[in-house]
Amino acid sequence: EAQVTQNPRYLITVTGKKLTVTCSQNMNHEYMSWYRQDPGLGLRQIYYSMNVEVTDKGDVPEGYKVSRKEKRNFPLILESPSPNQTSLYFCASSSTGTVNNEQFFGPGTRLTVL
Amino acid sequence: AQKVTQAQTEISVVEKEDVTLDCVYETRDTTYYLFWYKQPPSGELVFLIRRNSFDEQNEISGRYSWNFQKSTSSFNFTITASQVVDSAVYFCALSDYNTDKLIFGTGTRLQVFP
Repeated sequence: EAQVTQNPRYLITVTGKKLTVTCSQNMNHEYMSWYRQDPGLGLRQIYYSMNVEVTDKGDVPEGYKVSRKEKRNFPLILESPSPNQTSLYFCASSSTGTVNNEQFFGPGTRLTVL
Repeated sequence: AQKVTQAQTEISVVEKEDVTLDCVYETRDTTYYLFWYKQPPSGELVFLIRRNSFDEQNEISGRYSWNFQKSTSSFNFTITASQVVDSAVYFCALSDYNTDKLIFGTGTRLQVFP
């Protein structure tokens, strides 16, 4: 089944404890992206990648890191999480190397930073 | 800068009513794409439609229709004869052709009551 998977789905952590949210897609998509969803703010793009080893900042990249060593994986790294990073996170992928096509979203990761 | 405005935060209707969700966008690009996504109560994000800036034809898919008007920078979404299953948060989004970013509106929560 074609899908985008994220792990974990739920995570409660404490300030400053490094964490990684994994994202993997099995559709051989070139474009991958991370978003955070907050009440009243909609979805905001954190980072995106147009292909392997190519990443770029979205609108809210501060406090996050990403890497794209393989086409299928695009992990989101929070090196020192803070409470303002408590949010619902979505990973997405798209078949071309641009954002101009339909994006397939993962199920979301709900992160709470205490 | 690119921007998407969904001024309607929440709309409530009774089943079988028609409802229009507004989306107004701002961009300096001549080439861009507009999208609608649906987020049902289960939380996943579902692609509904993509429209490029050179195609102003209205689109109809079953009970759903979209009205794209470049003159007013709007891309409105109408649900005809709404059903309870249409209850969801709907997001309008704009792709930045030059930077490959995707900008979402803040979403409109639609509640359809039986």
